[in-house]
This record gives sequence, structure tokens and C-alpha cells, in this order.
Amino acid sequence: DQQVKQNSPSLSVQEGRISILNCDYTNSMFDYFLWYKKYPAEGPTFLISISSIKDKNEDGRFTVFLNKSAKHLSLHIVPSQPGDSAVYFCAASANSGNTPLVFGKGTRLSVIA
Amino acid sequence: GAVVSQHPSRVICKSGTSVKIECRSLDFQATTMFWYRQFPKQSLMLMATSNEGSKATYEQGVEKDKFLINHASLTLSTLTVTSAHPEDSSFYICSASDVLQGFETQYFGPGTRLLVL
Repeated sequence: DQQVKQNSPSLSVQEGRISILNCDYTNSMFDYFLWYKKYPAEGPTFLISISSIKDKNEDGRFTVFLNKSAKHLSLHIVPSQPGDSAVYFCAASANSGNTPLVFGKGTRLSVIA
Repeated sequence: GAVVSQHPSRVICKSGTSVKIECRSLDFQATTMFWYRQFPKQSLMLMATSNEGSKATYEQGVEKDKFLINHASLTLSTLTVTSAHPEDSSFYICSASDVLQGFETQYFGPGTRLLVL
């Protein structure tokens, strides 16, 4: 039973446009959500996070939105750049991050120049 | 952000040998570190949670006698794959928790590619 779902395995976006990556979760105990970016044969790189007390967190070109009632979060990247091409993982944790992360299966983003 | 290193980055070994992978938090102390493995085109699978000074907690299906974890200090955890077999070939990644704005946030190492011949 997947507690964190990324239903789009891949996404292609033109350079300069907005990339929107989606993530759904089922466990209402999750209170901390993170996005990681991963290149092949490398460890994930932490991008941005959001706690359940917020509905938006912004860091430069990256913004994460959380809709608790829908158990849905999204990562917006604007403007998208070719260097953003990678696999993006959504992850969730309970107890203020003190429980192991539960990862989605990832979405491969391709930003086309 | 916090920096986590892993060593070696890749290793090739013969079947039946043991391989040790080190995970270090470079600029922070981590009471908890995690070990994952990733198969091609799949998500990360948590193997175990490593707590400094105590025994690791293994996920269901992970053999604790095969994957030995030692967390001897606040900056170092090691994973030893004992009597490695070809099916153990995988990408192993560690992470360490640091506090970010009041929340435990995991930072990942660069990973170790293990190939067992």
C-alpha cells in the first residue's frame, strides 16, 4: 500500500515555463513533507520542505504547496531550466520528521531548451 | 545545507567477500542515520535506521546478520554487507538527520554503487 504517490512518472516542460510536480499521500499522521532532486548514480539532494501548519513555502524558483484536506502537495519550479532535468522525489514523515521518510516513486522531469 | 559523505563511491567485489560502506555527517552531528538501497528505476527502499550508541532498527525483510550497521559516533555510521552475493549489487545511500526550522530533515550522501561478481 503506497502511502506517498507520484502518479506522473515523467513530465516534459519547455525552458522558461513552469514545472508542476504533484504528490498525494494517504497517511493523515504525516506532518512534514520534503522534495528531493536526484540525478542517476547520486544521492538525493534536498530541495525544499513544508510542515503541515503551512500551506506554502517558497525558496527561490521553488515553491511547495500543501493542501491538507486533499492530502496533496505540489512542487512548482519557475522558470524551469535545463539543469532542473532530474528525478524528483516527494517524501513524507510523521512526528515532526522524527519517523523514517516515506518516498514516492519519483517523477522524471525533462526541461527542453 | 548539511553535508553527508559516503565512502567508497563504488566498489566491485567477489562473491562471498564483505564490503564496508562509511557514511559521515561532515558539518553536523547526527544521532540518527538511515540506510537505503535503490534498484534501477525504482524508488529508495529504507533498509534500517541507525541510532548512535544503540542497535539499528531493520525494516521487514532486511537481514540484520547480512547487513551489519554500526553507529559508533555522532558523525559516522557504517554498513557492512557480509558474504556479498550478486543479488546484493545495488546502489546504497545513507542519510543523516539535521534540524531545519524545528524539523528533522534528512540529508543524503552521494551513494555507493556495489557490484558483486
